[in-house]
Amino acid sequence: RKEVEQDPGPFNVPEGATVAFNCTYSNSASQSFFWYRQDCRKEPKLLMSVYSSGNEDGRFTAQLNRASQYISLLIRDSKLSDSATYLCVVTLYTGGFKTIFGAGTRLFVKA
Amino acid sequence: GAVVSQHPSWVICKSGTSVKIECRSLDFQATTMFWYRQFPKQSLMLMATSNEGSKATYEQGVEKDKFLINHASLTLSTLTVTSAHPEDSSFYICSARQNSGNTIYFGEGSWLTVV
Repeated sequence: RKEVEQDPGPFNVPEGATVAFNCTYSNSASQSFFWYRQDCRKEPKLLMSVYSSGNEDGRFTAQLNRASQYISLLIRDSKLSDSATYLCVVTLYTGGFKTIFGAGTRLFVKA
Repeated sequence: GAVVSQHPSWVICKSGTSVKIECRSLDFQATTMFWYRQFPKQSLMLMATSNEGSKATYEQGVEKDKFLINHASLTLSTLTVTSAHPEDSSFYICSARQNSGNTIYFGEGSWLTVV
């Protein structure tokens, strides 16, 4: 089992749709959680951190469920510019700092 | 937000030569930096974790003698691809972790083409 798993997609949605991504992690000692966005041929950029209390930034909402070991990202009112790959990232300390990336979920928003 | 600068953005080199890529954290200190490689339409692959003042930790399958990593200061890590071959052509990305927190910031990436 992969340490961080994501549905690779692609998710094809029309503009204005609401889309949700889930990500599961296997190590219960994981400490910090993030969603990154990566556009084609570009570096990943931090989208938002994820907390148990939930985190909302405009049309984006991230949630962490420690008991079930998954994090989610909800995008409301999708825009064409939201088309990208969304990476789930988990960090933990196991004798050294470790960052684990999910393989990413591809999103295509269509007009 | 925090900025990580990577240089060069793209480089073309001949087979057998070595190429050095720099990764700098511009406005924060980073004891830990990471180097990744990404082939077209594939996900990021962690190559190694670079620790300031000590040896890098390489992921399984990554040759440490081929991909030399130096992290001599809290703001600079370098990756040298030695004796480059066409199959080393890829997008190389670095990232740095802020010492004051766990957030990771990425450099802009370096496109390496070996001819």
